[in-house]
Amino acid sequence: GQNIDQPTEMTATEGAIVQINCTYQTSGFNGLFWYQQHAGEAPTFLSYNVLDGLEEKGRFSSFLSRSKGYSYLLLKELQMKDSASYLCAPGYGGYNKLIFGAGTRLAVHP
Amino acid sequence: DVKVTQSSRYLVKRTGEKVFLECVQDMDHENMFWYRQDPGLGLRLIYFSYDVKMKEKGDIPEGYSVSREKKERFSLILESASTNQTSMYLCASSRRDLNTGELFFGEGSRLTVL
Repeated sequence: GQNIDQPTEMTATEGAIVQINCTYQTSGFNGLFWYQQHAGEAPTFLSYNVLDGLEEKGRFSSFLSRSKGYSYLLLKELQMKDSASYLCAPGYGGYNKLIFGAGTRLAVHP
Repeated sequence: DVKVTQSSRYLVKRTGEKVFLECVQDMDHENMFWYRQDPGLGLRLIYFSYDVKMKEKGDIPEGYSVSREKKERFSLILESASTNQTSMYLCASSRRDLNTGELFFGEGSRLTVL
């Protein structure tokens, strides 16, 4: 399978910046999604990177390096509501099948 | 508002029972997926379908089957439920477009097998 590696847990302070890293296998890779999942809820879409570089969307940015099999999600001006799990999901093959990492549980404290 | 609807939020079944989990999407998406989510393991793909009557095995298809008779509906079937199938099941759909392909998820069905 396509091994996906992301930290299990992170903690940060309200108002701070946090970076969540993700590495994945590059064979057959199309693009990479980041999803946010609050406890007890379904995942919701945050970003999709196909090309190398940084894509910014408000307080959230996502970076991709295709050659290195590496991505990160950057969250700025953290708020308490950002406490959630963040799922890295590279897509592979003709149907862009998504393979999800186990997720990074982020706790934001005052 | 676009939507993926799963028929049951919570189910409790007994070992050996046949279980049907239904999923309906109203976005005219070609692709539909069933995942299960377990603590520490993340979302794992069980089956997916890229067209009516078409299906492909995901990473953990054993003990499951699926049915896609209509474009909007994708059913997951547990022929004989076992305790290790206790999990959260998530249905998702997406367009057949490699440049977007965003998954839209249902609310999930939490299945407990006793």
